[in-house]
Amino acid sequence: KNEVEQSPQNLTAQEGEFITINCSYSVGISALHWLQQHPGGGIVSLFMLSSGKKKHGRLIATINIQEKHSSLHITASHPRDSAVYICAAIPLPNSGGSNYKLTFGKGTLLTVNP
Amino acid sequence: NAGVTQTPKFQVLKTGQSMTLQCAQDMNHNSMYWYRQDPGMGLRLIYYSASEGTTDKGEVPNGYNVSRLNKREFSLRLESAAPSQTSVYFCASSEAGGTASYGYTFGSGTRLTVV
Repeated sequence: KNEVEQSPQNLTAQEGEFITINCSYSVGISALHWLQQHPGGGIVSLFMLSSGKKKHGRLIATINIQEKHSSLHITASHPRDSAVYICAAIPLPNSGGSNYKLTFGKGTLLTVNP
Repeated sequence: NAGVTQTPKFQVLKTGQSMTLQCAQDMNHNSMYWYRQDPGMGLRLIYYSASEGTTDKGEVPNGYNVSRLNKREFSLRLESAAPSQTSVYFCASSEAGGTASYGYTFGSGTRLTVV
């Protein structure tokens, strides 16, 4: 079982819809990244958060450390939001991992149709 | 533009050939990483360098070697390429071990095919 699980694996939406992508993790973490990867493209870090909520434009990321869960929301989705969204956990040093080693989810493929 | 630069972007190798993937960052980051990305597997850490002068194995180091040439540059070498090494390779850097205060920056990737 992967230490970082994302759901759903695939998501298709109509332009304008509100999108939620979920990430659950089983290890103790110091922070969590949300990453975006367009088809055939590089990886861009959208957020890094260790508590609460962060907002950037139409993107909102939340994390609940006690429940070991994070969500990425996209408001008023647009076809240019179509990409793979990846969450990556930064483990606590005392959780058996190194804080140098991100643990990645397998990604959620989002397709937004016009 | 500031960031992580990887070369080459595409490469086709024959089984048994060797090659070096180059990575350079201009953000004065201490830590650098090499990942591979395969369908259905997500990103997996090959090697990392926590700081200049140190390198350590990640999750899938077999068949690879690395060199942290200086603070800016971190190269990945395939000594004898195998078809199983067909993948997309990403270099990344972070300020200090990915602590909560600092994020990661990724390169644009190298798409490697071994035939």
